[in-house]
Amino acid sequence: QSVLSQPPSASGTPGQRVTISCSGSSSNIGSNAVNWYQQLPGTAPRLLIYNNNQRPSGVPDRFSGSKSGTSASLAISGLQSDDEAEYYCAAWDDTLIVVFGGGTKLTVL
Amino acid sequence: EVQLLESGGGLVQPGGSLRLSCAASGFSFSNYAMSWVRQSPGKGLEWVSAISGLNGRTHYADSVKGRFTISRDNSKNTLYLQMNSLRAEDTAIYYCVKDAITLVIMGGFDYWGQGTLVTVSS
Repeated sequence: QSVLSQPPSASGTPGQRVTISCSGSSSNIGSNAVNWYQQLPGTAPRLLIYNNNQRPSGVPDRFSGSKSGTSASLAISGLQSDDEAEYYCAAWDDTLIVVFGGGTKLTVL
Repeated sequence: EVQLLESGGGLVQPGGSLRLSCAASGFSFSNYAMSWVRQSPGKGLEWVSAISGLNGRTHYADSVKGRFTISRDNSKNTLYLQMNSLRAEDTAIYYCVKDAITLVIMGGFDYWGQGTLVTVSS
């Protein structure tokens, strides 16, 4: 049981915009920054969004993050076939740990 | 170019010990918090432990507290994870990761090592 809650699956067609949600509490998302990762099969995760809405260099601006209260969202616009992957949210928690979501498997139909 | 190179994984019996190392290069190692994140086969990501850059303050997940010890040698740009009293449920790929922002632990890990597999089995 993960501290942050994500839907187990999401899907969309090429070109569509999809969003993935991440729900937490006042001790994590409510008071700290949210980060998002993409993991392709057989590879290490890749940081997509940090500090709620910042993109590391090299991450396309099709990926965006937002936060409101104790929830956050990752949006992917102009969906592409190679966006098919597992997506995770993560945040620092005031109990002095890092917490992850359980992951969302994105399927491009 | 930032590089994180883990070593030390392998097969160990339940109750045994292993020490993981992570050699870092390409950035000012002492200015960044470092963590270990693991992933069991077919499962999600689990944060294990973190250590601050300059003051070496440490933090642990409840699942490993009292059994694992994280440490760093800033003179050697190396991160360690001493794992004792290993259990079958510790079987996972262990990743060495770097925080994206200096001097804080925020869970935004911008660089990941290739991972090292730890298998706990008799």
